[in-house]
Amino acid sequence: EVQLLESGGGLVQPGGSLRLSCAASGFTFSSYAMSWVRQAPGKGLEWVSAISGSGSNTYHADSVKGRFTISRDKSKNTLYLQMNSLRAEDTAVYYCATQLGISHYFDYWGQGTLVTVSS
Amino acid sequence: EIVLTQSPATLSLSPGERATLSCGASQSVSSNYLAWYQQKPGLAPRLLIYDASSRATGIPDRFSGSGSGTDFTLTIGRLEPEDFAVYYCHQYGTSPLTFGQGTKVEIK
Repeated sequence: EVQLLESGGGLVQPGGSLRLSCAASGFTFSSYAMSWVRQAPGKGLEWVSAISGSGSNTYHADSVKGRFTISRDKSKNTLYLQMNSLRAEDTAVYYCATQLGISHYFDYWGQGTLVTVSS
Repeated sequence: EIVLTQSPATLSLSPGERATLSCGASQSVSSNYLAWYQQKPGLAPRLLIYDASSRATGIPDRFSGSGSGTDFTLTIGRLEPEDFAVYYCHQYGTSPLTFGQGTKVEIK
């Protein structure tokens, strides 16, 4: 059974940093791409970042490029999102999601972790 | 980027009725890489349909997807009480990956 457990969310001041983690189990971690998707309060879904199974290729939405970095540690079966220079508009629930299918849709999602950027 | 526009924004129906949700893309979705998700309050989205018309594992057959190119549809054959939720379409054929703004299916 695929399980994803996010952690690391919380309250941070504008300009601050936070690192999110997503512990994965139930599949061969290093074989599949994964992503972070966020949802601002009362709003829709926004793709944030993606990483290939090997970790050698990463992709970021323009809204976070240069501020956020996605990475993964295959020894810990964990996905990360390093978030720097945080802004109020980054306030959201952040979900990690697997892309196990050939065509890379989001098939499994974690429960989400809330990031609040406020002074 | 590909903009996905969902209609209607809200659909008010009774249990047992048929629901038809639309998703229009600003340009053709590569390889019809279009998915649908269901989201209930306080929960993560759940994959229903991928590749425009393939049902995900464990999804009841009252959910069906159709369409190609720029026009896609999610149909719920007969609404069950647990189907009242928000539904999002999502294209994953072209970066950046994008989502529609959602359609809320509410009890009439």
